[in-house]
Amino acid sequence: NAGVTQTPKFRVLKTGQSMTLLCAQDMNHEYMYWYRQDPGMGLRLIHYSVGEGTTAKGEVPDGYNVSRLKKQNFLLGLESAAPSQTSVYFCASSYRFGDFNQPQHFGDGTRLSIL
Amino acid sequence: DAKTTQPNSMESNEEEPVHLPCNHSTISGTDYIHWYRQLPSQGPEYVIHGLTSNVNNRMASLAIAEDRKSSTLILHRATLRDAAVYYCILREQTGANNLFFGTGTRLTVIP
Repeated sequence: NAGVTQTPKFRVLKTGQSMTLLCAQDMNHEYMYWYRQDPGMGLRLIHYSVGEGTTAKGEVPDGYNVSRLKKQNFLLGLESAAPSQTSVYFCASSYRFGDFNQPQHFGDGTRLSIL
Repeated sequence: DAKTTQPNSMESNEEEPVHLPCNHSTISGTDYIHWYRQLPSQGPEYVIHGLTSNVNNRMASLAIAEDRKSSTLILHRATLRDAAVYYCILREQTGANNLFFGTGTRLTVIP
C-alpha cells in the first residue's frame, strides 16, 4: 500500500518552461488536494478536487491548472513557470465528508526550483 | 477560518513529556481542533483531533480547555523521532475539507 505518491521528487526549470506534477493515491479517496510550502511557512492550498472530473480553486490558484481525469490521479500543471513558483509542492487525499474530520494523507513532496 | 496561535519553537529532553500549546480564542462552537505534524523533508501527517472532550490515541493526547479557547497536544514520552513542526488547525464543518496551516511549533528533542 503506497499511499500518496508524487512524481517527480525534484525538478529544476527555467523561467517560461512548462511542466506537470503527478499525484497518485491507492486508497480510493474521493478528495485530492495540491498545496505549496514556501520556506519557513505553512502549507497553502492551490487547488482541490472533490471527485473525478471536478476541480476547484484554493487559496493560491494563480499560475496553476489541475486535472482529475481518473479518481486515483491528480495532476498539477505550470504553463509558464516563474521564479515565484519555486516551492515544495505537496499532494494530499482524503475520504469525502459525511465526516468533515477525515484526515488528509500527504505525499513526500516535489521540490521545484525555477531559475 | 478561525485562527490559531502557537509558539514558534519548543525544546524537550528525550523520554520526557512534551506539552505543545495552541490558542484559538475565536473558535466557533462547531470547529474541531486538529493536529498534524511534519517531520523533516516529509509531508504532514495527521496526529489527533477533538471537539470538546480530551482525546487519546497511540501517538498523543489532546487536552481541550473547558471554554475551548485553547488546547494542548501532549506527547507522553518524547523520542528523537518526534522532532518535527506541529500544526494546530481548526476544521470548519463546511466546505471541502480543506486544511489551513499556520507556521506551527518546531519541536526540538534533545538527546
